[in-house]
Amino acid sequence: AQSVTQPDIHITVSEGASLELRCNYSYGATPYLFWYVQSPGQGLQLLLKYFSGDTLVQGIKGFEAEFKRSQSSFNLRKPSVHWSDAAEYFCAVATGGGNKLTFGTGTQLKVEL
Amino acid sequence: SAVISQKPSRDICQRGTSLTIQCQVDSQVTMMFWYRQQPGQSLTLIATANQGSEATYESGFVIDKFPISRPNLTFSTLTVSNMSPEDSSIYLCSVIVRYNEQFFGPGTRLTVL
Repeated sequence: AQSVTQPDIHITVSEGASLELRCNYSYGATPYLFWYVQSPGQGLQLLLKYFSGDTLVQGIKGFEAEFKRSQSSFNLRKPSVHWSDAAEYFCAVATGGGNKLTFGTGTQLKVEL
Repeated sequence: SAVISQKPSRDICQRGTSLTIQCQVDSQVTMMFWYRQQPGQSLTLIATANQGSEATYESGFVIDKFPISRPNLTFSTLTVSNMSPEDSSIYLCSVIVRYNEQFFGPGTRLTVL
């Protein structure tokens, strides 16, 4: 069965510092991978996705993620974090023909000013 | 993308009662889903809401507890029946607008006393 692991439950970074959120997946076929962000009291917003092709994908709000098949990873990065990036970040893999999402447990990001 | 609204945004209910949550999309969509996010947890898929037929439930979720309606391509309801405090969660609907991209509603925060 598919699964997604986000090893870091909480991460704190200073504003302006770089960020990397880890995501590892387990899935037998070629995965469709996603990163979502959930701000307090908000629904989930899609940051970026990987389906195929270039393994470095660009998303909204200056985020990018790199798919590494050999490591079964899809880590999210941002070169300079803004205070407004404080939120919970979820990695997800799609199965069921690409329609069903299995989510990781999430990483809570805190940004220190 | 799609504009997705949910009603109510939050509710406090007594145990043993039922609550119906509405999800409205601003465009016709084929695929619509319902997820549950328990406090401090990740999202879990409850079911796929199928237009014109019975919903497809994931393991651990049953129709008697979570009946779903999908009368047309822009609207669905999820009922949480015979509620207990363990049902306290955020319930989110989602839709697929483009190939394998899921967009989420703002969620309904349910507290059961």
